[in-house]
Amino acid sequence: KAGVTQTPRYLIKTRGQQVTLSCSPISGHRSVSWYQQTPGQGLQFLFEYFSETQRNKGNFPGRFSGRQFSNSRSEMNVSTLELGDSALYLCASGASGKGGEKLFFGSGTQLSVL
Amino acid sequence: QKEVEQNSGPLSVPEGAIASLNCTYSDRGSQSFFWYRQYSGKSPELIMSIYSNGDKEDGRFTAQLNKASQYVSLLIRDSQPSDSATYLCAVQGSGYSTLTFGKGTMLLVSP
Repeated sequence: KAGVTQTPRYLIKTRGQQVTLSCSPISGHRSVSWYQQTPGQGLQFLFEYFSETQRNKGNFPGRFSGRQFSNSRSEMNVSTLELGDSALYLCASGASGKGGEKLFFGSGTQLSVL
Repeated sequence: QKEVEQNSGPLSVPEGAIASLNCTYSDRGSQSFFWYRQYSGKSPELIMSIYSNGDKEDGRFTAQLNKASQYVSLLIRDSQPSDSATYLCAVQGSGYSTLTFGKGTMLLVSP
């Protein structure tokens, strides 16, 4: 079974630009979560989608948005990039069960904003 | 605001020793608890989950949960240099709530 696929692996952008990141979850998983990881703040939750609907949202500004398509693939968009947006963006595919929802992470997209 | 606290480390142990990693959480309504391992430059990998008080063992790993004390721990027996990584504790509330992660504890296992 293929894992979570994130593209691109690396991105370099300049301030003010926008960026779109893509994530394909594990086949059969309908939940996709996005996290931002920085050395200082650790893993911070951005949003979660389930069956094309945003189910949860973290405390990030409106410049951060996302969506999920009918095939469960998800995209995340960041507009008007700031230097502080430089981070590893991780997508996770969710599998619900008796012990809660287990998340399986993709390799991430390393975003550098210059 | 839900908080998950971990000692940042590094926790240094010799090869073959038991490594003990600890985590406390603030939300008493938390239901499910997870341990992830993250190697440098890689993404987090799920290694253990636990949702009932007590111990859960999986190979060299044992997760321990004490909901009354709002405390969860991970024991790694017979630690190997390949266990050197950052270990992230994650906590989930009830229903469709999201996972809240601690900032992780770096473990260094010396040969």
